[in-house]
Amino acid sequence: GAGVSQSPRYKVAKRGQDVALRCDPISGHVSLFWYQQALGQGPEFLTYFQNEAQLDKSGLPSDRFFAERPEGSVSTLKIQRTQQEDSAVYLCASSRRAGTEAFFGQGTRLTVV
Amino acid sequence: QKEVEQNSGPLSVPEGAIASLNCTYSDRGSQSFFWYRQYSGKSPELIMSIYSNGDKEDGRFTAQLNKASQYVSLLIRDSQPSDSATYLCAVNTGGFKTIFGAGTRLFVKA
Repeated sequence: GAGVSQSPRYKVAKRGQDVALRCDPISGHVSLFWYQQALGQGPEFLTYFQNEAQLDKSGLPSDRFFAERPEGSVSTLKIQRTQQEDSAVYLCASSRRAGTEAFFGQGTRLTVV
Repeated sequence: QKEVEQNSGPLSVPEGAIASLNCTYSDRGSQSFFWYRQYSGKSPELIMSIYSNGDKEDGRFTAQLNKASQYVSLLIRDSQPSDSATYLCAVNTGGFKTIFGAGTRLFVKA
């Protein structure tokens, strides 16, 4: 596609629910990043994929967070048993390769009530 | 010490003036540097990338990199009210992570 596409744009989850956030990167982009952005803060790194390989997941805040990119294209970020502190905007970005310019999707705003 | 530091602002400049945004980073091995603009409620939009010491100009924007001082800046000439946004500095250390600063809020007064 022309840009990075994320869905849903908005998600309201009850505490304890599982959620899945989708990212469709720019076609041909090898690198894919997930970030979490709290209000008034910069994006915080969560995880990185090179094709289908998850090479860095050091930013995932707990084992309730899980990401996959099984065919090296679309990626899903899953959060199990959501908590109020998980409320944030989740941003996906892709780039041709690590270290080059990354382009962001519109983000998914998650609100846990 | 945060890995990427920016003054949170707000930085206020009059229309037509030069806005100067600064960023310092801690990892001397950093290879790639980026400036993003983020409007309220929107996602970050790439403005500039810079990979080597010196200046890089693109229209009204100039990025400056000094690896010895671990310092990168963004100059916006002829600032317009539409430039009012949060500017994010991002640094890639040569690995897989690109780390963002907290951003500097810029207000351009008409």
